Amino acid sequence: DTGVSQNPRHKITKRGQNVTFRCDPISEHNRLYWYRQTLGQGPEFLTYFQNEAQLEKSRLLSDRFSAERPKGSFSTLEIQRTEQGDSAMYLCASSFGQGDYTFGSGTRLTVV
Amino acid sequence: GQQLNQSPQSMFIQEGEDVSMNCTSSSIFNTWLWYKQEPGEGPVLLIALYKAGELTSNGRLTAQFGITRKDSFLNISASIPSDVGIYFCAGTGANSKLTFGKGITLSVRP
Repeated sequence: DTGVSQNPRHKITKRGQNVTFRCDPISEHNRLYWYRQTLGQGPEFLTYFQNEAQLEKSRLLSDRFSAERPKGSFSTLEIQRTEQGDSAMYLCASSFGQGDYTFGSGTRLTVV
Repeated sequence: GQQLNQSPQSMFIQEGEDVSMNCTSSSIFNTWLWYKQEPGEGPVLLIALYKAGELTSNGRLTAQFGITRKDSFLNISASIPSDVGIYFCAGTGANSKLTFGKGITLSVRP
């Protein structure tokens, strides 16, 4: 297993466009998490899945954000009508139960 | 909500020195994790702690889960230049959500 994989690594988009990020977790991990990190801050929780069920969403996740994990394996995070304030590093992590959380390398989003 | 406090924001040490970082919380955590992050990369797990009082080592790193479950520390011994990075503490409470501190940026002078 190559760990948690995120694509793309970098994304530059114009304000108002939609973007979608993908996360492939470690295969035997049943939980998958999305975090957002801005400069000088620690990662902030957005949402998490146990298998295909989305169990919790942060207030940070406005209705322009949607996440899916349709078959309990990979997940996508979509941001609609992007705003400059959405510029951040989007991190995905996976775990088995409440075990060690392994993070991917992240997707750096820049909204211009 | 739950918050983790890490200070200072930056630390500067000489190569070969030991360094200790502390993390505190006003609420109880069930697990404590320490991560290191380098520019443009995701956090990499260094040490995970699951029981109050637990002391765990990983090479030159040692971390402890405080007895009160409201704090943890990380020690790095005999620092080397590649220890440079941002060190985050993180913890989980009653739910699975991992809460992070703001991180400490470590600089090591050769």
